[in-house]
Amino acid sequence: GENVEQHPSTLSVQEGDSAVIKCTYSDSASNYFPWYKQELGKRPQLIIDIRSNVGEKKDQRIAVTLNKTAKHFSLHITETQPEDSAVYFCAASDTGGFKTIFGAGTRLFVKA
Amino acid sequence: DAGVIQSPRHEVTEMGQEVTLRCKPISGHNSLFWYRQTMMRGLELLIYFNNNVPIDDSGMPEDRFSAKMPNASFSTLKIQPSEPRDSAVYFCASSRRGAESYNEQFFGPGTRLTVL
Repeated sequence: GENVEQHPSTLSVQEGDSAVIKCTYSDSASNYFPWYKQELGKRPQLIIDIRSNVGEKKDQRIAVTLNKTAKHFSLHITETQPEDSAVYFCAASDTGGFKTIFGAGTRLFVKA
Repeated sequence: DAGVIQSPRHEVTEMGQEVTLRCKPISGHNSLFWYRQTMMRGLELLIYFNNNVPIDDSGMPEDRFSAKMPNASFSTLKIQPSEPRDSAVYFCASSRRGAESYNEQFFGPGTRLTVL
């Protein structure tokens, strides 16, 4: 069945450094790739997404890249801040965003 | 808009009891999703509806789980009978599926279920 693998499971960086989280997906029909941030005890919230007809997208300190051939996509956070500490989930979904498969999550720690 | 509303926020029950979780999606949204989150299994999609019709329930773990969406503004997830391994946070999410097709899912605050 469809699967999304996410690495690393835990990431610790110093404030100001960059953080990179990588995901791979198995379903060739996937064409929408959202990233969610979940703070402790709270709900997942969308932070950025990318569609299959785009290779890269940037929003301030956050960027996502997509390689459809290799079925890889990544989240890049630059100039990390303590408030970036959270669990980040990648996901892949089919057209319409119906069947969304989530990665296992990456727990990011940003040390001040 | 109040966002996705879930109730109760916390539920503690004993094994064998029936549990009903409730969700009110964002007004105007036509797709609704139920997820379960645990440390061991992460975030799992249980079932999703489009225009109140269940589209895919392949994520529902067992026959003890059932979900309904009688109208556009209400959905329930029922577990009968409940078991300790059902303990998890259950999220409801909604989105508006339109011509653009790629639509953000908005999550509710979740229901933390503990089955003793």
